[in-house]
Amino acid sequence: EVQLVQSGAEVKKPGEALKISCKGSGYRFTTYWIGWVRQMPGKGLEWMGIIYPSNSDTRYSPSFEGQVTISADKSIDTAYLQWSSLKASDTAMYYCARQYSSSDAMDVWGQGTTVIVSS
Amino acid sequence: DIQMTQSPSSVSASVGDRVTITCRASQGIRSWLAWYQQKPGKAPKLLIYAASNLQSGVPSRFSGSGSGTDFTLTISSLQPEDLATYYCQHANTFPFTFGPGTKVDIK
Repeated sequence: EVQLVQSGAEVKKPGEALKISCKGSGYRFTTYWIGWVRQMPGKGLEWMGIIYPSNSDTRYSPSFEGQVTISADKSIDTAYLQWSSLKASDTAMYYCARQYSSSDAMDVWGQGTTVIVSS
Repeated sequence: DIQMTQSPSSVSASVGDRVTITCRASQGIRSWLAWYQQKPGKAPKLLIYAASNLQSGVPSRFSGSGSGTDFTLTISSLQPEDLATYYCQHANTFPFTFGPGTKVDIK
């Protein structure tokens, strides 16, 4: 079965660092892009960025560039989304999803990781 | 960046009704348009890719059409399990922005 399994919910304080993960299984991880999508409470979907694990080619939305870092470790079929200094406004659900090519759709989604940032 | 708009923002319809949702891109995106369904508390699910291709396992009452800047998602006969928010997303050039969503309620 093809699936993306994300790391568990996180509760952090403002200013703390965080790295969440997305592990792929059931398919060849290096042949698909992995994208990250934010959903703030009660709001719509926001495309954050995408990585091609085979060569780590990474693209960001201008809204998120410099705010987060997307990376991947192809040796363990895992992609990451990280923050160096969280803000309360980072409180959201974060989804990873795969897509076959850079002009394709996101066909398999992770279950989501809830991030709560509160003092 | 390419901006995506959707209309209506919400629609309430009866079981069996035909429901049409429109998505418009701020510039031409050829056929690089996908539709997703998100049920409350769940991850999004791909319904349509490349504007008109039905994703495997998706009921045939869902269909997509359009190219360039104007696209449509149609539910031919609304079912109770179709209660959800529907999003369009382009994949023409980075960043791949989503539309604001259309909430579908059952009367």
